Amino acid sequence: GAGVSQSPSNKVTEKGKDVELRCDPISGHTALYWYRQSLGQGLEFLIYFQGNSAPDKSGLPSDRFSAERTGGSVSTLTIQRTQQEDSAVYLCASRLEGEQYFGPGTRLTVT
Amino acid sequence: AQSVTQLGSHVSVSEGALVLLRCNYSSSVPPYLFWYVQYPNQGLQLLLKYTSAATLVKGINGFEAEFKKSETSFHLTKPSAHMSDAAEYFCAVSPPMFSGGYNKLIFGAGTRLAVHP
Repeated sequence: GAGVSQSPSNKVTEKGKDVELRCDPISGHTALYWYRQSLGQGLEFLIYFQGNSAPDKSGLPSDRFSAERTGGSVSTLTIQRTQQEDSAVYLCASRLEGEQYFGPGTRLTVT
Repeated sequence: AQSVTQLGSHVSVSEGALVLLRCNYSSSVPPYLFWYVQYPNQGLQLLLKYTSAATLVKGINGFEAEFKKSETSFHLTKPSAHMSDAAEYFCAVSPPMFSGGYNKLIFGAGTRLAVHP
């Protein structure tokens, strides 16, 4: 079956621009996560959505980062006024029972 | 608070040799533990998981790991390395679901495995 998909696969943006990254989870998965993978910080949790509950935003690094999940399915991670330190691979995962399934990631490069 | 330490950022083995990737965790409650593999330019794939059932866990591709509470370890092993095992491996911990805390994975820094002929 279809796995978690993310778009775009690569994004190059200029410093100061806003970007939106999209995640399509596996159908029927109620939990959705965003992680960031960067050279200096490894794999970091960003935000977690579970059904209609308030999201756990405890991993967002600054108020320039936000995410939403519409209709309990697709999620968008938005980074405003991008900085060079935002360059990383952004991974999305969805969960059924005990296992998180990861998408291929979006590689963001801020120039 | 939970944390994961992977000993050795790079491990190199010969094809056919034993693979041992080390992972130690810190957790105030009995954790769930995971090993993920990441091939170049790909996402993370679950190799195996420990969720408080059998302490010896068998995963895909011939990998297994043993949960040792006394040593707070969850080392990953494979008896005989294949060239195709070359990848980066991540150990991760999360609180168990019954504690209401299963909301994120805490990852180790990763171990890059190289397999040479």
